[in-house]
Amino acid sequence: QKEVEQDPGPLSVPEGAIVSLNCTYSNSAFQYFMWYRQYSRKGPELLMYTYSSGNKEDGRFTAQVDKSSKYISLFIRDSQPSDSATYLCAIPGAGTYKYIFGTGTRLKVLA
Amino acid sequence: NAGVTQTPKFQVLKTGQSMTLQCAQDMNHEYMSWYRQDPGMGLRLIHYSVGAGITDQGEVPNGYNVSRSTTEDFPLRLLSAAPSQTSVYFCASMLGGGANEQYFGPGTRLTVT
Repeated sequence: QKEVEQDPGPLSVPEGAIVSLNCTYSNSAFQYFMWYRQYSRKGPELLMYTYSSGNKEDGRFTAQVDKSSKYISLFIRDSQPSDSATYLCAIPGAGTYKYIFGTGTRLKVLA
Repeated sequence: NAGVTQTPKFQVLKTGQSMTLQCAQDMNHEYMSWYRQDPGMGLRLIHYSVGAGITDQGEVPNGYNVSRSTTEDFPLRLLSAAPSQTSVYFCASMLGGGANEQYFGPGTRLTVT
């Protein structure tokens, strides 16, 4: 079993839709959970991060962690064509410098 | 600040050739790493460094060498290119360990024929 699993998509939604992107993980020791956004032919950039369980909101984006089911989510409200990108979940390995990345979900928001 | 820079942006190699992918950062970050990104595989760690003179292997190190003589530079060497090394390569840097943000370069698209 991979340490982090993510549905690769692609996911196509109409403009204004609510988008839900998800990852599951296997190691209950993980404490920090991150989402990176990668536009086509660019490097990934940090979008949001959360610590432990709960929600964190930043504008139209909400990151949610459910440690009991080892499930992390990123919600995008009122999605825009400019949100079209690949979204990668990322988890810093416990006690190491290494990150574990999901495979990324490719999102396309149609105008 | 330029952030993380990578050269070249594109490269085509023939099987068996060697080359060096350059990576530099101007943020005085201790931690630097190299990833490759392939369709359906996500970002896979090749090698990483936690400071000048210290390097270690990641998930997919075979066929690659690294060195870290300065804080700023972290080159990746392909010893004898193979078609399986066709990929997009990203360099990243981070201030320290734990849940710090990784800053990525723009990537190098490498094709090995």
